[in-house]
Amino acid sequence: GQNIDQPTEMTATEGAIVQINCTYQTSGFNGLFWYQQHAGEAPTFLSYNVLDGLEEKGRFSSFLSRSKGYSYLLLKELQMKDSASYLCAIMDSNYQLIWGAGTKLIIKP
Amino acid sequence: GAVVSQHPSRVICKSGTSVKIECRSLDFQATTMFWYRQFPKKSLMLMATSNEGSKATYEQGVEKDKFLINHASLTLSTLTVTSAHPEDSSFYICSAREGLDYNEQFFGPGTRLTVL
Repeated sequence: GQNIDQPTEMTATEGAIVQINCTYQTSGFNGLFWYQQHAGEAPTFLSYNVLDGLEEKGRFSSFLSRSKGYSYLLLKELQMKDSASYLCAIMDSNYQLIWGAGTKLIIKP
Repeated sequence: GAVVSQHPSRVICKSGTSVKIECRSLDFQATTMFWYRQFPKKSLMLMATSNEGSKATYEQGVEKDKFLINHASLTLSTLTVTSAHPEDSSFYICSAREGLDYNEQFFGPGTRLTVL
């Protein structure tokens, strides 16, 4: 079956660094996406990984290990506006996105 | 990035009525559009995938006669919730993709449906 796991909730302090992990087992793999979703809003694209390694984009970085079925999203210099849910999604062999349940990130001052 | 609009953003209706939600890609041609629903504190659940000019492909457990999807053009898809009931109250989100293989999905802002 298909399965994507990520922690339900995480708490971090403003200015700090947080790593949100995602493990997956899916039928086929055509890339892994990270999306940010604020409450009551649609998801917004953060990153896409299809090859192993680290992709850095400003304060956000995403890592992928295909052999381990593992990814993480790293957020640096946390700001209060980063409080949101972070969704991990896999594009399967049919080019459809399979979504994780999301990780609610709470930033404390 | 590409823009996807969704209308209306919020709708409240009486039980038994039908509601139509529009999803438009504003600056690109969407080969494929997706319809999702999301319950509070839950992840996105794919309802159906629609390709322009063909019938939508519904996910298991989604009633095609209840959730009518029309993808009449490369820039417009509509979702009609027929004979709505309170349990249909949810956040409905569309997304659009330009190509057939990998391409980023661009999300609409979502529609909050409340059925009384």
